[in-house]
Amino acid sequence: DTGVSQDPRHKITKRGQNVTFRCDPISEHNRLYWYRQTLGQGPEFLTYFQNEAQLEKSRLLSDRFSAERPKGSFSTLEIQRTEQGDSAMYLCASSTRQGSHEQYFGPGTRLTVT
Amino acid sequence: DAKTTQPPSMDCAEGRAANLPCNHSTISGNEYVYWYRQIHSQGPQYIIHGLKNNETNEMASLIITEDRKSSTLILPHATLRDTAVYYCIVRVAMGHTSGGSYIPTFGRGTSLIVHP
Repeated sequence: DTGVSQDPRHKITKRGQNVTFRCDPISEHNRLYWYRQTLGQGPEFLTYFQNEAQLEKSRLLSDRFSAERPKGSFSTLEIQRTEQGDSAMYLCASSTRQGSHEQYFGPGTRLTVT
Repeated sequence: DAKTTQPPSMDCAEGRAANLPCNHSTISGNEYVYWYRQIHSQGPQYIIHGLKNNETNEMASLIITEDRKSSTLILPHATLRDTAVYYCIVRVAMGHTSGGSYIPTFGRGTSLIVHP
């Protein structure tokens, strides 16, 4: 257990539905990251926050995806109008202070879109 | 970012050293070498990183060649719990505000199986 938690751990939804995932980072970490991982591939970066500011977004983050970190603590990732191609593991990670090399990953949320 | 090449799979006997190679021949001077691993059904776990010098911590040793075009991660006494996918990543800090952030770009990694 790294101290990063994610909820839910598993989500099954029908195509076209909206889903929201939550990530609680390690409390003193001011940086939070979202990744997506499909079967047989390494994680792919989606976006990251420093405190409540979203500082970087990948091209993978289409307009159906939105992430927030309203108070600089927990974060949510919402996917609107889900598609079967959104089926993946969604990972959250956090790190401390600027320039930190080490990220602590949560266990992930596995999304299945039917 | 520099591209890395790793063997897709390796195996190792329990108790022996596991030596995982990584080629990063296009690495630039300001790029760090990172290693993460991912045990089945878990999130990735940071192992070690280095720039030029060899590094050692409680988990592993990182040997970087003098020309920095390749590196080797060494698990000195592999156990069954070291069975995982190991990712070699090279990365500069992404610059936003001051300090930047090191965001790893993962490839497919090396699947290491440690057998009894």
